Amino acid sequence: KAGVTQTPRYLIKTRGQQVTLSCSPISGHRSVSWYQQTPGQGLQFLFEYFSETQRNKGNFPGRFSGRQFSNSRSEMNVSTLELGDSALYLCASSVLGGETQYFGPGTRLLVL
Amino acid sequence: AQSVTQLGSHVSVSEGALVLLRCNYSSSVPPYLFWYVQYPNQGLQLLLKYTSAATLVKGINGFEAEFKKSETSFHLTKPSAHMSDAAEYFCAVTSDSNYQLIWGAGTKLIIKP
Repeated sequence: KAGVTQTPRYLIKTRGQQVTLSCSPISGHRSVSWYQQTPGQGLQFLFEYFSETQRNKGNFPGRFSGRQFSNSRSEMNVSTLELGDSALYLCASSVLGGETQYFGPGTRLLVL
Repeated sequence: AQSVTQLGSHVSVSEGALVLLRCNYSSSVPPYLFWYVQYPNQGLQLLLKYTSAATLVKGINGFEAEFKKSETSFHLTKPSAHMSDAAEYFCAVTSDSNYQLIWGAGTKLIIKP
């Protein structure tokens, strides 16, 4: 089976812009989770989608949003980018959630 | 609420020495416990998973972890460190109440030649 894929792998944006990141889970996986990873804060949970519904949400401002499509592919959007949003954004998929998560390679976002 | 503590943000060992990375969980026995590894500029890769079938779990790359309920621990070990083991290691447990994974802060393993 193909693994979790994330696009794009690298992205440079300027403050105030918005960005959309994409994640394609492993075939048959219905749960997709998103994480932000920074050197200072470590790995932080953004949200989890299961069957097109947001099931869990981390402690991030409303500028961070996501969605999941009927084929389980997921997107996350960050509006009004801030310098502090520079990070590695990781997507992980699992069959049902809460068991083994399989991670994509991440999207590295740099906000200038 | 469940939490995970990894003792030591950085651990340094000599090549060929024993690797011991510590992980403790806080409350009732979670359904699953995991160790993941992250190499530079990559995503996280599953090393091993505990599912209550056996207290000693063997993973990839020669790593293993032992679940000790009395100590609420799930420490990761490898008998002999290799330079290629240099990476960041994360411990995670399944939440008691929902479908989330609860993550430790990570431990960077440094291998000295």
